[in-house]
Amino acid sequence: DQQVKQNSPSLSVQEGRISILNCDYTNSMFDYFLWYKKYPAEGPTFLISISSIKDKNEDGRFTVFLNKSAKHLSLHIVPSQPGDSAVYFCAASETSGTYKYIFGTGTRLKVLA
Amino acid sequence: DAGITQSPRHKVTETGTPVTLRCHQTENHRYMYWYRQDPGHGLRLIHYSYGVKDTDKGEVSDGYSVSRSKTEDFLLTLESATSSQTSVYFCAISDRGPEAFFGQGTRLTVV
Repeated sequence: DQQVKQNSPSLSVQEGRISILNCDYTNSMFDYFLWYKKYPAEGPTFLISISSIKDKNEDGRFTVFLNKSAKHLSLHIVPSQPGDSAVYFCAASETSGTYKYIFGTGTRLKVLA
Repeated sequence: DAGITQSPRHKVTETGTPVTLRCHQTENHRYMYWYRQDPGHGLRLIHYSYGVKDTDKGEVSDGYSVSRSKTEDFLLTLESATSSQTSVYFCAISDRGPEAFFGQGTRLTVV
């Protein structure tokens, strides 16, 4: 049973517009959520995170929103740039426990110039 | 970049042979992880370690074993490789969060 789900395998967005990537989770014990970006033939790189005590975290063009009651988080990229084209993974962990990071299946974002 | 080195970076092996992948870190981080990445499945946790000689199973541990005799090294062993273990394997490290840092990956092909 998948604890972290990314239901959109792919997304295409025009350059300059907003990209919204979504993630759902089922385990209410998760208290830390992260987004990673992955280019082909490279390891995933950390992008942005959010603690369960917050509902929003911003870092430049990237904002993550957390809706705990809905067990849903989203990553907004504004404005989208061609260099943002990559696979984005959502991940969740229990920071009071074993620090296991459980990942979703990923969303491939393509930003069109 | 976090100091994580995976070796080998590419390997082709035959079904039924044992294979060991190595992850080496220079960050002195407590936690180390092995993931596999497959199309349609994303990144799935195989095993992880929370200290020297302390390891536990992840989501897809069958057919894999791990060992951590030193803080800096985490070994993943496929006792008898099968074609279903053809994948890209990533090692990651963390130090009680918030994020984990990943290595470059090892592409393993079992023929």
